[in-house]
Amino acid sequence: DTGVSQNPRHKITKRGQNVTFRCDPISEHNRLYWYRQTLGQGPEFLTYFQNEAQLEKSRLLSDRFSAERPKGSFSTLEIQRTEQGDSAMYLCASSLGDRGSLGYTFGSGTRLTVV
Amino acid sequence: DAKTTQPPSMDCAEGRAANLPCNHSTISGNEYVYWYRQIHSQGPQYIIHGLKNNETNEMASLIITEDRKSSTLILPHATLRDTAVYYCIAASVTGNQFYFGTGTSLTVIP
Repeated sequence: DTGVSQNPRHKITKRGQNVTFRCDPISEHNRLYWYRQTLGQGPEFLTYFQNEAQLEKSRLLSDRFSAERPKGSFSTLEIQRTEQGDSAMYLCASSLGDRGSLGYTFGSGTRLTVV
Repeated sequence: DAKTTQPPSMDCAEGRAANLPCNHSTISGNEYVYWYRQIHSQGPQYIIHGLKNNETNEMASLIITEDRKSSTLILPHATLRDTAVYYCIAASVTGNQFYFGTGTSLTVIP
């Protein structure tokens, strides 16, 4: 296992379309996190899963956003009716237990451009 | 999590030590200092973390002041590949999210 994998790396979509991103965490990691990063800013927390349970959601996660982690393995983040303000890098991270000694391992992200 | 303050940008000559400061004057007793870096178009990468003792690993050293109100990340021999945004985060070990802030953009100059 070489790390956290995110697909696609880049996505261009028209405003109003739905998009879905996938994250494959490190296989033994039970925690999975989604962050969003806009240009010039640091990553901002969106949501977190422990196994298949979504335990925390940021106020940034509007009702157009939904995340799932079926069977506690990979996760998907869907954005419905995309808006130009959704253009950002969407980052996934995973950890074994709490962030403890090694923090998180991040993927390379999916860059979304809404035109 | 405690707020951290970092300079927005720094330069360092290749081969020299890069010393990146961070202020975290409101850090609480159970909060660690974490450092991550983000190379352009990649996800953040964990570097090091510590509570109150100085720490060293293969990537960097972390020096935390005795009062824990500030810290310095040291890259002993900076290379061009160390050019990145460096984030200092004060957070508890058991929390579920990090507040990254805007970090320090380090440019290593040949």
